[in-house]
Amino acid sequence: EAGVAQSPRYKIIEKRQSVAFWCNPISGHATLYWYQQILGQGPKLLIQFQNNGVVDDSQLPKDRFSAERLKGVDSTLKIQPAKLEDSAVYLCASSSAAFGGPTDTQYFGPGTRLTVL
Amino acid sequence: LAKTTQPISMDSYEGQEVNITCSHNNIATNDYITWYQQFPSQGPRFIIQGYKTKVTNEVASLFIPADRKSSTLSLPRVSLSDTAVYYCLVSGGYQKVTFGTGTKLQVIP
Repeated sequence: EAGVAQSPRYKIIEKRQSVAFWCNPISGHATLYWYQQILGQGPKLLIQFQNNGVVDDSQLPKDRFSAERLKGVDSTLKIQPAKLEDSAVYLCASSSAAFGGPTDTQYFGPGTRLTVL
Repeated sequence: LAKTTQPISMDSYEGQEVNITCSHNNIATNDYITWYQQFPSQGPRFIIQGYKTKVTNEVASLFIPADRKSSTLSLPRVSLSDTAVYYCLVSGGYQKVTFGTGTKLQVIP
């Protein structure tokens, strides 16, 4: 079974520029998550999709971050404009659960390391 | 949300059993306890999940006392490849999953 795919793996941009990350979840997985992981910290949930609908985006900085999951499969996360504090690893995960329950096993991709200069 | 507390770091020699304890005093009745492992430059990987008593799989065991206010992840006979960060998570119902800072395990030859 293919895992969660993410691209690019690394990205370096200057502050105020825009950047986009792409995620392809495991086939058939209804739930998709985007996390931000700052060095030395645990992953922080930014947004959770159920198929192509948003379940939770309470920690997404909506003034600069946006995400979409068209057709309930692939997803993109965009930052516009980027700030220095956005430097982090952006992780995508997916799970097969229909409604994102407590027993879900999340399968994570390798992440995209973003450096904002 | 039930908050978790874990040691920041632990060292262990190869071949020893490692026990990592997680405190979750405010765990709710419908909360489950899940542990993930994360290697450098990789995303977290599910290890084990439980609700009460003991759960064992091919990788680890999870011990949960009757009051469920803590849990212990047990890794038998660790090797260098078990060096990683281990996260304890508590979640129930439709609450979002919250990762803490985790425990950095260093296995020494």
